[in-house]
Amino acid sequence: GAGVSQTPSNKVTEKGKYVELRCDPISGHTALYWYRQSLGQGPEFLIYFQGTGAADDSGLPNDRFFAVRPEGSVSTLKIQRTERGDSAVYLCASSLGPWTEAFFGQGTRLTVV
Amino acid sequence: SQQGEEDPQALSIQEGENATMNCSYKTSINNLQWYRQNSGRGLVHLILIRSNEREKHSGRLRVTLDTSKKSSSLLITASRAADTASYFCATVLSGAGSYQLTFGKGTKLSVIP
Repeated sequence: GAGVSQTPSNKVTEKGKYVELRCDPISGHTALYWYRQSLGQGPEFLIYFQGTGAADDSGLPNDRFFAVRPEGSVSTLKIQRTERGDSAVYLCASSLGPWTEAFFGQGTRLTVV
Repeated sequence: SQQGEEDPQALSIQEGENATMNCSYKTSINNLQWYRQNSGRGLVHLILIRSNEREKHSGRLRVTLDTSKKSSSLLITASRAADTASYFCATVLSGAGSYQLTFGKGTKLSVIP
């Protein structure tokens, strides 16, 4: 596709439920990032994939958060037992490699009620 | 934690004026990038400056980097109403295993027609 695609664009879920957020990167981009952004803040790093493997998952806040990229393209961010504090915009970005310009999707706005 | 911190937090100028935003960071970097964000969703890459570069230009944008002071500035010349957005600096740390783009909290720029 022409850009990074994230689905859904908005997700409302009840506290305690499980959610999956999908990211379709730019074709050929081996690097993929997930970020989380709260209102009035900068994006907060969650995880970085190089190909299929998570090269840096130091930003995942706890073990309720997990991400996969099984074939080195599409990635899914999974959140178990959602909490109201998980409400934020989740951003995905891809790039040709680390340390290069990143292309961001429009994000998924997650609201936990 | 935030590696980069932008200053000022908010800036309001008249169309046609120049806008200057500053970014300070704490540890050695591989490169520093500036991004723009409209309406709290996807970020758009503006410019990347490497640690061995001092200045870069792109259209109406001019970025400087002073590694001795650990600071960068973004200058937008002849601003337009369409430049109204939040601007973030993001750093890539130097050293093996550093993949994160670490963002500051951003500067909110308002250009008044």
